[in-house]
Amino acid sequence: DIQMTQSPSSLSVSVGDRVTITCRASQSIANFLNWYQQKPGKAPKVVIYTASNLQSGVPSRFSGSGSGTDFTLTISNLQPGDFATYYCQQSFKTPWTFGQGTKVEIK
Amino acid sequence: QVQLVQSGAEVRKPGASVKVSCKASGYTFTTHYIHWVRQAPGQGLEWMGIINPGGGVTKYALKFQGRVSMTRDASTNTVNMDLSSLTFEDTAVYYCARAQTGGVYDVWGQGTMVIVSS
Repeated sequence: DIQMTQSPSSLSVSVGDRVTITCRASQSIANFLNWYQQKPGKAPKVVIYTASNLQSGVPSRFSGSGSGTDFTLTISNLQPGDFATYYCQQSFKTPWTFGQGTKVEIK
Repeated sequence: QVQLVQSGAEVRKPGASVKVSCKASGYTFTTHYIHWVRQAPGQGLEWMGIINPGGGVTKYALKFQGRVSMTRDASTNTVNMDLSSLTFEDTAVYYCARAQTGGVYDVWGQGTMVIVSS
C-alpha cells in the first residue's frame, strides 16, 4: 500500500495567517493527490483535486502544488471557517490511502 | 442536486453483521464508481473498497476481504455495504463517496454511525 505522511499533525494559527501543510507519498503518485477539509460531525469536502486544481466553490485562498511524492496545501489569509482537519489522499493506486490528518486550530 | 443519502445509525453486538445503504440521486447512477470509507472515533479516514454501479464489479481492501460485501441495485440507485463478524474495532462512521475521473471524491454521503457494543 502507498503510505501518505502529513505534517504537521496539528497547528495553532490566527485568522489572517498563512498555513502550509505537506503530504509525502511513499512512492511516486504523479499528480493523483487530493485534499479534503473535514469539520466535526461532517463528511469530508474536497478543496483541491489532482494536486493543484481548485474545486468549484472553494475560495481562491486555497492552493495546492507538487507532483511525484511531495505535495503542499496552502491556505492564505486564514478565515474562521477554515479551522478544520485537512487530509491528503492518493488516488494513484488502490487501496486509495489518506494521510493521518492535520488539525488547524485557533491560536 | 447530486446527493448520496445513507441509512441511519446502527447498533450491533460483536459477531453480528450490519448493512449500510447509500442512495444516489441527481445523476446517472451507473456513470460513477462508489467507494466506502470509514472513520473510527477521533481517527482518520480508512478506505474499504469500491463498487462499479454499472456492472457491480467490486474491489476490497485486503483488511476487509472475506467479511465485506458491496452490492448495487440499479432499480433503486442504491449501493449497499455489508460488514460481517463485527468487533468493537468496527465502531465507526461509514461513508459512501462518489468518485470522479482522476480519483477525487466529489460527493459524500452524510455518514452512518455503526456502534458495536455488547
